[in-house]
Amino acid sequence: NAGVTQTPKFQVLKTGQSMTLQCAQDMNHNSMYWYRQDPGMGLRLIYYSASEGTTDKGEVPNGYNVSRLNKREFSLRLESAAPSQTSVYFCASSVSGPGTEAFFGQGTRLTVV
Amino acid sequence: GENVEQHPSTLSVQEGDSAVIKCTYSDSASNYFPWYKQELGKGPQLIIDIRSNVGEKKDQRIAVTLNKTAKHFSLHITETQPEDSAVYFCAASMDNYGQNFVFGPGTRLSVLP
Repeated sequence: NAGVTQTPKFQVLKTGQSMTLQCAQDMNHNSMYWYRQDPGMGLRLIYYSASEGTTDKGEVPNGYNVSRLNKREFSLRLESAAPSQTSVYFCASSVSGPGTEAFFGQGTRLTVV
Repeated sequence: GENVEQHPSTLSVQEGDSAVIKCTYSDSASNYFPWYKQELGKGPQLIIDIRSNVGEKKDQRIAVTLNKTAKHFSLHITETQPEDSAVYFCAASMDNYGQNFVFGPGTRLSVLP
């Protein structure tokens, strides 16, 4: 009964390095999301995927790419990390359709030095 | 796009007192309003939600009210307990597939014993 699983939990990158954050859900949800959380700014949507095979930009997509690998997995890639991307990243998923709860993973704390 | 404001940013109450957190939203098309609780080191978790065809919803010590005309909604916690201490986020979402949750900046609630 894992829910939404994110890996890794912590990561330190040097400026310019690349990395991929992994997310998987076992609830058979159609929609998946990537958010970043910064102090005093709540959760801001980076990208989302309404269903397998589709992805759309959110509020803050610059510097990121995503892949909806299959129904279970939705990855977030930083091609060339910048200090401004230091944040806590959350993956979430929900059943498709209006007014449905989003379930969140435990988060990935990323520091770019 | 949708903008969600949340007040206060921090709130301290004595154990047993009530706590109220207020949010406003800008887009009248939003029709689903969840509240999330985030404990330290964890992802946000849904505690209560309300849809636009309902004015009030209650679940034990937690209640949410919605005023569609004024475009604001509030979270009410009665008989607060130390375990209620956390960061609370409100959110607004529209009635479409691949819904996009827009979150408020959060309220840090501290319940003092």
